[in-house]
Amino acid sequence: DQQVKQNSPSLSVQEGRISILNCDYTNSMFDYFLWYKKYPAEGPTFLISISSIKDKNEDGRFTVFLNKSAKHLSLHIVPSQPGDSAVYFCAASAPTGFQKLVFGTGTRLLVSP
Amino acid sequence: ETGVTQSPTHLIKTRGQQVTLRCSSQSGHNTVSWYQQALGQGPQFIFQYYREEENGRGNFPPRFSGLQFPNYSSELNVNALELDDSALYLCASSSTGDSIYGYTFGSGTRLTVV
Repeated sequence: DQQVKQNSPSLSVQEGRISILNCDYTNSMFDYFLWYKKYPAEGPTFLISISSIKDKNEDGRFTVFLNKSAKHLSLHIVPSQPGDSAVYFCAASAPTGFQKLVFGTGTRLLVSP
Repeated sequence: ETGVTQSPTHLIKTRGQQVTLRCSSQSGHNTVSWYQQALGQGPQFIFQYYREEENGRGNFPPRFSGLQFPNYSSELNVNALELDDSALYLCASSSTGDSIYGYTFGSGTRLTVV
């Protein structure tokens, strides 16, 4: 049962344009959502997060939007840069008493100059 | 401040064998979690250790076991290896009380079972 889904395996955008990565979830107990970025041969690195009590969180070029009623979140990158090319994972956590992340399958973003 | 280091980086084992993967936590972190990332999938939670005890486990069979040492380093042991165990194994450390974005991941160990 895939509780966190990223339906687009890949996305290509041009430098300077907006990148929008989408994520859907099914578990209504999730109360915290995160985006991780992963380069080849490296571990995932934390990018941005959002609590379920908010609908938007911004950090520089990165903005995450959460629509709880639709169980959907998205990551916007504006403007996109070639260095943003990586695999992006959406992850979620529920209040289980220990730190556990449920990840989506990832979206490979390619930003071309 | 050192990050999370994992060893070895790559490993090839035969079906039925046993394997031990190692992780050194980031300085100041007292909790370690292990994840399995199969090809084309996102990381899946295996288990978490805090104060040398397992305090959370995902849907993995008992042949996946772990240890956490007093210096907060950790091992992941897998017995009776199966072909489907081929994956990238990621270790993540954090501190109790950190929100979950306090996770720091290592670069992983790529295990191939033949």
